Amino acid sequence: ETGVTQTPRHLVMGMTNKKSLKCEQHLGHNAMYWYKQSAKKPLELMFVYNFKEQTENNSVPSRFSPECPNSSHLFLHLHTLQPEDSALYLCASSPNRGRNEQYFGPGTRLTVT
Amino acid sequence: QKEVEQNSGPLSVPEGAIASLNCTYSDRGSQSFFWYRQYSGKSPELIMSIYSNGDKEDGRFTAQLNKASQYVSLLIRDSQPSDSATYLCAVIRGSQGNLIFGKGTKLSVKP
Repeated sequence: ETGVTQTPRHLVMGMTNKKSLKCEQHLGHNAMYWYKQSAKKPLELMFVYNFKEQTENNSVPSRFSPECPNSSHLFLHLHTLQPEDSALYLCASSPNRGRNEQYFGPGTRLTVT
Repeated sequence: QKEVEQNSGPLSVPEGAIASLNCTYSDRGSQSFFWYRQYSGKSPELIMSIYSNGDKEDGRFTAQLNKASQYVSLLIRDSQPSDSATYLCAVIRGSQGNLIFGKGTKLSVKP
C-alpha cells in the first residue's frame, strides 16, 4: 500500500536529539492524523489536521510538535524525548474529518535511548 | 468503562472454521464503525466499515452492527493461517469525529 508513506521507518535517538518524522499521502485526502501505538495499549490519537488546520491536540507533551504545510504532508518534530516515548508512530489520512475511514502509513518505529 | 472494549484473546480457531470477533462501545452517539487488521510489526489495515444496523458482507468477512446493544462484530469464514493477526475495532465518536480504538483481539488460525 503506497497511499500513505512515512519516513524514516526506524529511528533511534538520544534524549537530547532533535529529529522529525515525515508523512505524505497520495490519496487526495483533506484530513491527516498522528497516532502513537505502545505495547499493551490501544492506539492513541495525538494530533488531527483538517485542511491544514490543527483541529485536535490530544494533551500531547510539547516535546512533540506537529506541522502540516499542506493537505498532503504532515511532520512530527521531536525534541528532548523520554525513553517512555519509544513506540510506533503512525500517520493516517481520511477524505475529511468525521465519518470517513482512515488509512494508515507503515509507521515509524522510534526508540529513545 | 472503556470506550471501546474487545477481548484481548488470543482466540484460536482451526483452519476452515468461522472466527467470531466481538466489540462493544460506550458512546451511543457513535455513527461509524471499522475493523482493522494488524499483522505483527505492521500498521493497521482497514478491512471493513459499517454505518447502519445489520450485516455487511465482503468476501469472507461479515461485519455486524447492533446500535441498540452497542455491539459490533466481525465474522471471518473459512479462516486461513494468513488471517492470524490482531483485529482492531474502531469507532468514531458522534460529536468530535475522533476514531477510538479498542486494544485488539489476537486471532490465531491453526493449520
